[in-house]
Amino acid sequence: QKEVEQNSGPLSVPEGAIASLNCTYSDRGSQSFFWYRQYSGKSPELIMSIYSNGDKEDGRFTAQLNKASQYVSLLIRDSQPSDSATYLCAVNQAGGFKTIFGAGTRLFVKA
Amino acid sequence: KAGVTQTPRYLIKTRGQQVTLSCSPISGHRSVSWYQQTPGQGLQFLFEYFSETQRNKGNFPGRFSGRQFSNSRSEMNVSTLELGDSALYLCASSSGLAGATDTQYFGPGTRLTVL
Repeated sequence: QKEVEQNSGPLSVPEGAIASLNCTYSDRGSQSFFWYRQYSGKSPELIMSIYSNGDKEDGRFTAQLNKASQYVSLLIRDSQPSDSATYLCAVNQAGGFKTIFGAGTRLFVKA
Repeated sequence: KAGVTQTPRYLIKTRGQQVTLSCSPISGHRSVSWYQQTPGQGLQFLFEYFSETQRNKGNFPGRFSGRQFSNSRSEMNVSTLELGDSALYLCASSSGLAGATDTQYFGPGTRLTVL
């Protein structure tokens, strides 16, 4: 079992729709969770971080965390073609000074 | 505030050679982490340094090594290069002081091609 799992996609949504990206993790002691966006040929850039159960909203992005289910998700509302990228879920392991990344989900937003 | 810088941006080497990559973190950040990114394996953690000390390392052979200097700049070295070492090498900086909530910011990466 991989430590952080994501559906590799690709996920294709029409412009204006909601894109839903999911991630599960295996280390129950994990404390911090991050979503990064990576455009082709570029380095990852941070979109959201979440530490507590529930929802966290930032503009068109909402991160959701459920520690009991070991599940993190990212919702992108009003998806735009510029959102087309690979989205990486990352988890900080408890006390380990180590961040584990999922393989990423490729998102395509069709105009 | 300047971001994370990595040099060189592109590198071509042949098998058996060694290579050194450099990373300068965001000013004030004391932690530098290194990752290898390949299409097949995704982002794989190499090691993390804080105040010149390696605090954690991933599952890579001993050919991969790193160090950090007193100004927080970090270098990683790969010796006896293999074709499979061709990858994008990313470094990420963070304060290193926020524990599990520490947030990493990535540099542009060094694209290494081994022929």
